[in-house]
Amino acid sequence: KQEVTQIPAALSVPEGENLVLNCSFTDSAIYNLQWFRQDPGKGLTSLLLIQSSQREQTSGRLNASLDKSSGRSTLYIAASQPGDSATYLCAVIYNFNKFYFGSGTKLNVKP
Amino acid sequence: EPEVTQTPSHQVTQMGQEVILRCVPISNHLYFYWYRQILGQKVEFLVSFYNNEISEKSEIFDDQFSVERPDGSNFTLKIRSTKLEDSAMYFCASSGTLTGAGYTFGSGTRLTVV
Repeated sequence: KQEVTQIPAALSVPEGENLVLNCSFTDSAIYNLQWFRQDPGKGLTSLLLIQSSQREQTSGRLNASLDKSSGRSTLYIAASQPGDSATYLCAVIYNFNKFYFGSGTKLNVKP
Repeated sequence: EPEVTQTPSHQVTQMGQEVILRCVPISNHLYFYWYRQILGQKVEFLVSFYNNEISEKSEIFDDQFSVERPDGSNFTLKIRSTKLEDSAMYFCASSGTLTGAGYTFGSGTRLTVV
């Protein structure tokens, strides 16, 4: 059974810190991995998509890396801001058409 | 940028009532999905739909649930007799391929069963 695990479950940091969110998955035969942001009670905002052949993707202050062989991905957030406070979800596609989601990391960036 | 549109954004229904959640996928996409997220839990896959039929469904998607593409633009999820435990956020998604590229989620419908 495919499982996606995210560590830590929650994280509180002061504004300006660089931080790393971790995601691991049990089966390395993924097609791609995606990081999402979810604000309380809201939908899923796609942040970064990494294809299985790629090692990393960058968008602004966000950088996501993928190590398929070890079943890990990290989301790096540089110079965190209070507006980054949200839950960050990692999700993978294995077999053709459905995402498996992690439970998320709830981030709080304190002013 | 193309969007997946879901209506309504919030629906309250009485237990035992039928409810239909509506979605307009991206126009040139061929694969359609429903997911749900019970408050405080993971986003879970419910069903995928391609070529006017279900291609895969999870164990959650029992006989109380059905999906339909009634015309060329809408994709619906029907829950026949709602239960309290059906209260959740329901996400529609669509993609143009089977490998996740272009996979786009809607903003969700929050279903509250009272």
